[in-house]
Amino acid sequence: DQQVKQNSPSLSVQEGRISILNCDYTNSMFDYFLWYKKYPAEGPTFLISISSIKDKNEDGRFTVFLNKSAKHLSLHIVPSQPGDSAVYFCAASGRTYKYIFGTGTRLKVLA
Amino acid sequence: EPEVTQTPSHQVTQMGQEVILRCVPISNHLYFYWYRQILGQKVEFLVSFYNNEISEKSEIFDDQFSVERPDGSNFTLKIRSTKLEDSAMYFCASSWIAGNTGELFFGEGSRLTVL
Repeated sequence: DQQVKQNSPSLSVQEGRISILNCDYTNSMFDYFLWYKKYPAEGPTFLISISSIKDKNEDGRFTVFLNKSAKHLSLHIVPSQPGDSAVYFCAASGRTYKYIFGTGTRLKVLA
Repeated sequence: EPEVTQTPSHQVTQMGQEVILRCVPISNHLYFYWYRQILGQKVEFLVSFYNNEISEKSEIFDDQFSVERPDGSNFTLKIRSTKLEDSAMYFCASSWIAGNTGELFFGEGSRLTVL
C-alpha cells in the first residue's frame, strides 16, 4: 500500500531553470510533510517542510506547495544548480511517530 | 553543527549471525528512529523510540529486531539472526519533538550486507 507516491523516478533540468518535483498521498490523516535530499552513500538531508494548515512554504530557492484537496504537494527549486542533483524524497506524517517516504525522484541538473 | 553518527559504516555478515548497528543521536533530542532502504527502493520506517520504550514499529520490525538505549548517548538496533533480505542501508534518525511535527535528522547510514 503506497500511501506516498512520487510518480516520476527521474527528472532532468537545465541549470538556471525551475525544477518541479511532485508527490501524491492517499491518507487524509497526513498533516505534516517534508522534503529530503539524498546523495549516494549519505543519509537523507532535510530540505523544507509544510504543515497542513498552510498551502505554501518558502526557504531560499526552495518552495513547497500543498494542495490538500488534491492530496498533492510539490517542491520547486529555482534557479536549479548542478549541486542540486540528488534523489529527492517527500515524506508524510499523521498523528503517529513515523514518516512514510515516497520512492524518490532522481533530479539531474545539467550545466 | 550537531549530527547523528552511525557505526559501522559497512558490515558484512553471514546469514544467521547477529548484528548490532550503533547510533549516537543528537544530544538534546528525545525521539529516536530506525529506517532502512533496500537498494533502489524507498526509505522504510522500522521503529520509533521515546522515553526508553518503543513508541511505534512497522510490520518489518519483527521478533528478530530489537532496539536499546543502553546509556545516555547510544541507540542500537540488533538483528538477532540475519537473513539475506536484511541487506540494506540502515538509517538512524533523531528529532527534538514528536515525529509528526518536526524534522528528522538522519545519520549517514550503516550498510548491512548479508551473505
